[in-house]
Amino acid sequence: SYVLTQPPSVSVAPGQTARITCGGNNIGSKSVHWYQQKPGQAPVLVVYDDSDRPSGIPERFSGSNSGNTATLTISRVEAGDEADYYCQVWDSSSDRRGVFGGGTKLTVL
Amino acid sequence: QVQLVESGGGVVQPGGSLRLSCAASGFTFSSYGMHWVRQAPGKGLEWVAFIRYDGSNKYYADSVKGRFTISRDNSKNTLYLQMNSLRAEDTAVYYCAKDITGTPYYFDYWGQGTLVTVSS
Repeated sequence: SYVLTQPPSVSVAPGQTARITCGGNNIGSKSVHWYQQKPGQAPVLVVYDDSDRPSGIPERFSGSNSGNTATLTISRVEAGDEADYYCQVWDSSSDRRGVFGGGTKLTVL
Repeated sequence: QVQLVESGGGVVQPGGSLRLSCAASGFTFSSYGMHWVRQAPGKGLEWVAFIRYDGSNKYYADSVKGRFTISRDNSKNTLYLQMNSLRAEDTAVYYCAKDITGTPYYFDYWGQGTLVTVSS
């Protein structure tokens, strides 16, 4: 089955840039989507199709995907960005299933 | 505005059954695929099941295959998850989530979740 690997935690100072990676075998051939989840709340889509943003999501959120790594980049990080972030793909192989990465806790120092 | 409201969670003994519901509004329910996603306490997100917009295709995570059944009633704008033979490891908040299309892709709206606790 397809596996997505994220670092458990990333820390960054306010105003700096945070990069959260999502590793998977040839993930560049798949569409990757990213969700933000704050404590006690449901997840919120922040990036879809590798690099597109839903309406209402700040331009500070961006994404890229190539080779074996997809990356969520958050520029000019704010205290309100502190949350868990999950990458996700749909595995269209014979065992069709949704796949999430293990999640990354973003801490704003 | 899109709204997804889950219900049916609660405490159940191991081996027991529970049926979750998700009432949808604010969009044409019969045009979109729907998912269940769960999150065990303090853990990450786990995809559970998907049903195509017309109910013709259903997919399940290995961890629930043969025990859980996803279904939908497009006349009632409601999604269901029948959970049988429940285990302690099924304890989680269960979210229903709307897909962006009629077939599985990604989730653009989520409900607030309903907690299922499997314990004796």
